[in-house]
Amino acid sequence: EVQLVESGGGLVQPGRSLRLSCAASGFTFDDYAMHWVRQAPGKGLEWVSRISWNSGTIDYADSVKGRFTISRDNAKNSLYLQMDSLRTEDTALYYCVKETYTVPYFDYWGQGTLVTVSS
Amino acid sequence: DIQMTQSPSSLSASVGDRVTITCRASQSISIYLNWYQQKPGKAPKLLIYAASSLQSGVPSRFSGSGSGTDFTLTISSLQPEDFATYYCQHSYNTPRTFGQGTKVEIK
Repeated sequence: EVQLVESGGGLVQPGRSLRLSCAASGFTFDDYAMHWVRQAPGKGLEWVSRISWNSGTIDYADSVKGRFTISRDNAKNSLYLQMDSLRTEDTALYYCVKETYTVPYFDYWGQGTLVTVSS
Repeated sequence: DIQMTQSPSSLSASVGDRVTITCRASQSISIYLNWYQQKPGKAPKLLIYAASSLQSGVPSRFSGSGSGTDFTLTISSLQPEDFATYYCQHSYNTPRTFGQGTKVEIK
């Protein structure tokens, strides 16, 4: 059974940093691209970042470019999101998402970890 | 970046109704269009991928169609468990943009 379990969320002041983690199991982690998707309270889904299976291709949404860094450790079956210079508008539930590699789609989602940026 | 526009933003329907949600891409995305269902407090769930392929385990009352820039999600006979918010998303390139969502409510 595929499982994606996020951790690391919490309350943080504007300008500070936070690191999210996602522990993956139930599939061959290093075969697949992984993504972070977020959802602000009461709002829609926003794609944040993507990392390819070997970390060779990395992309970010314009809203987080230069502030967030995605990474992965295939030996640990783990995905990370380092979030620096946090803003109040980064407040959201952050989902770790697995993507298929033939016709791309998000087939598995974690339950999310809540990040609240507030003074 | 490719923009995705869903319509309507919300709708009210009764059990048994046929429901159609549309999604338009700002440029051609071939069939790289996916549909997700989200219920309150839950992660999104994949319904349709590649515009018209039904994800395993999803009821056959859900169907998708379209290619290029215009796409449709249809629920042939709305069931109580279908009241939720639906999102389209393209996977043609990055950013993997989502539509703004369509909330399906009980009439």
